[in-house]
Amino acid sequence: AIQMTQSPSSLSASVGDRVTITCRASQGIRNDLGWYQQKPGKAPKLLIYAASSLQSGVPSRFSGSGSGTDFTLTISSLQPEDFATYYCLQDYNYPFTFGPGTKVDIK
Amino acid sequence: EVQLVESGGGLVKPGGSLRLSCAASGFTFSSYSMNWVRQAPGKGLEWVSSISSSSSYIYYADSVKGRFTISRDNAKNSLYLQMNSLRAEDTAVYYCARESTAWGQGTLVTVSS
Repeated sequence: AIQMTQSPSSLSASVGDRVTITCRASQGIRNDLGWYQQKPGKAPKLLIYAASSLQSGVPSRFSGSGSGTDFTLTISSLQPEDFATYYCLQDYNYPFTFGPGTKVDIK
Repeated sequence: EVQLVESGGGLVKPGGSLRLSCAASGFTFSSYSMNWVRQAPGKGLEWVSSISSSSSYIYYADSVKGRFTISRDNAKNSLYLQMNSLRAEDTAVYYCARESTAWGQGTLVTVSS
């Protein structure tokens, strides 16, 4: 199974900060990667699909990049509603695998 | 509006069985593959199983293979997860998801004596 790692596991940031989260796959997955946001007690929400495509309705301050094994989620200017946990997911092959998550909280 | 509503969760003893359902609406259910994903309390997300639109292709995580069975009824716009031989480590919120884009709110399964 493809292993997904994320860094950092947590970060503290202020409103307006630029935030970058990294996801790495144990083998090449082309661009078959999505990024999800999850708030406590809520279902995950898709932000980015195919590594860099913005899901409909998601603010443009979210962006994704990467291909192969290394991927990045960037929030250009952190907003109060962005404090949450972020997960990457590879859907290149089965079993699909999630990264362990990155918790973004308020500095 | 796409809606996915899970049901069937609850408290079950180790070794017991439970059947989860997911009612879909707002889209052409028969055109999409569907997934079950779970999240143990305080833990990350774990993909559990996938089924293709016509049920031709089915996949499971190693952790549930041989114990869980995914199925669907396109006439009823419904997805199912039959869970047998349940273990304490199966305790989680179970989400159904339309491919990767739309998710239900989840149903809690607790396996405890």
